[in-house]
Amino acid sequence: EVQLVESGGGLVKPGGSLRLSCAASGFTFGSYTMDWVRQAPGKGLEWVSSIVSTSTYIFYADSVKGRFTISRDNAKNSLFLQMNSLRAEDTAVYYCARQPLTIFGAQGFFDYWGQGALVTVSS
Amino acid sequence: EIVMTQSPATLSVSPGERATLSCRASQSVSNNLAWYQHKPGQAPRLLISGASTRATGIPARFSGSGSGTEFTLTISSLQSEDSAVYYCQQYNNWPPWTFGQGTKVEIK
Repeated sequence: EVQLVESGGGLVKPGGSLRLSCAASGFTFGSYTMDWVRQAPGKGLEWVSSIVSTSTYIFYADSVKGRFTISRDNAKNSLFLQMNSLRAEDTAVYYCARQPLTIFGAQGFFDYWGQGALVTVSS
Repeated sequence: EIVMTQSPATLSVSPGERATLSCRASQSVSNNLAWYQHKPGQAPRLLISGASTRATGIPARFSGSGSGTEFTLTISSLQSEDSAVYYCQQYNNWPPWTFGQGTKVEIK
């Protein structure tokens, strides 16, 4: 069974840092493109960042570029999001999500999601 | 960036009735469109990919249609457990991968 479990959320002051982790199990983690997607309170889903299986290609939303860093450890089946210079508008539930894989590569949508980690940025 | 617009914002439907949700893209996304169901406190759930292909385990009452810029998610006979927010997402032009703002389906 595919499982994605986020951790590392919490309360942080504006300008502070936080590191989210996502532990993956039930599939060959090192073969898949992984993403972070967030949902601010009362808002919809917003894609944040994506990393391909080999970490060769990494993408960020403009809203987090230069402040957030996505990374992965395939040996430990783990995905990370380092969040620096946090702002109030970064307050959200952060989900890790998997892009399904075919012979054509990563598919661009998300077939499995974690339960999410709440990040609150407030003084 | 491709902007996805969903309508209506809220849909109130009686059990057993049909629910029709719309999603429009600001430019063509071909059939590279997915639909998700999201209930409070839960992980989003993939319903449809490729505009019309149901994901594994999704009941047949959920169907998707459309291509280009206009898409529809239909719930043919609404059940109480279908109360949720539904999102469309394009994956034709990326980054960024973009979602609609969501349609909340309520049971009358």
